[in-house]
Amino acid sequence: DAGVIQSPRHEVTEMGQEVTLRCKPISGHNSLFWYRQTMMRGLELLIYFNNNVPIDDSGMPEDRFSAKMPNASFSTLKIQPSEPRDSAVYFCASSLQAGLNYGYTFGSGTRLTVV
Amino acid sequence: RKEVEQDPGPFNVPEGATVAFNCTYSNSASQSFFWYRQDCRKEPKLLMSVYSSGNEDGRFTAQLNRASQYISLLIRDSKLSDSATYLCVVISGNTGKLIFGQGTTLQVKP
Repeated sequence: DAGVIQSPRHEVTEMGQEVTLRCKPISGHNSLFWYRQTMMRGLELLIYFNNNVPIDDSGMPEDRFSAKMPNASFSTLKIQPSEPRDSAVYFCASSLQAGLNYGYTFGSGTRLTVV
Repeated sequence: RKEVEQDPGPFNVPEGATVAFNCTYSNSASQSFFWYRQDCRKEPKLLMSVYSSGNEDGRFTAQLNRASQYISLLIRDSKLSDSATYLCVVISGNTGKLIFGQGTTLQVKP
């Protein structure tokens, strides 16, 4: 099993540019989560999907952030326009099903730097 | 107040020591509990689930006290390779959302 695959691993972009982060969950997993990690705030849940449907996006910081899951094997997190305060590590995680006592598997993360 | 709180440490211990981490959570409806481990510049990885009866995995023991809303992790006979950040994690109510504590940093020294 290849695990959760995220791309790119690193992204450096200029303020105002659009950034798209990608995630491929583990095959057969029904739930997908996007997290952001910073030194100051730790790991924060941005949004999660169940069976490709967004269930809770209350953690999305503002309208500049959007996430989609067009099918069971692919999700994107888009930031437009990007700002320096968006610099963080963005993790995608998947699980067999949200709410049950399953561990969640994380991808390796995308380290985003906005200059 | 954060939903999951941990002492950030760092905990600096010698090899072979026993070390304990504590965590409290505020949502009494929380149903599932975990400890994750995160190495520097890596993703969090599941260390173990935590059950009310307590559970053990080798040198690691996890305990849950629902009445006090308190979770603990005990590491016996610490190894250099145990150096990492340990994250207390709670599934909030019926939402399925993993809520992470800030993490406790452990440094095991020779």
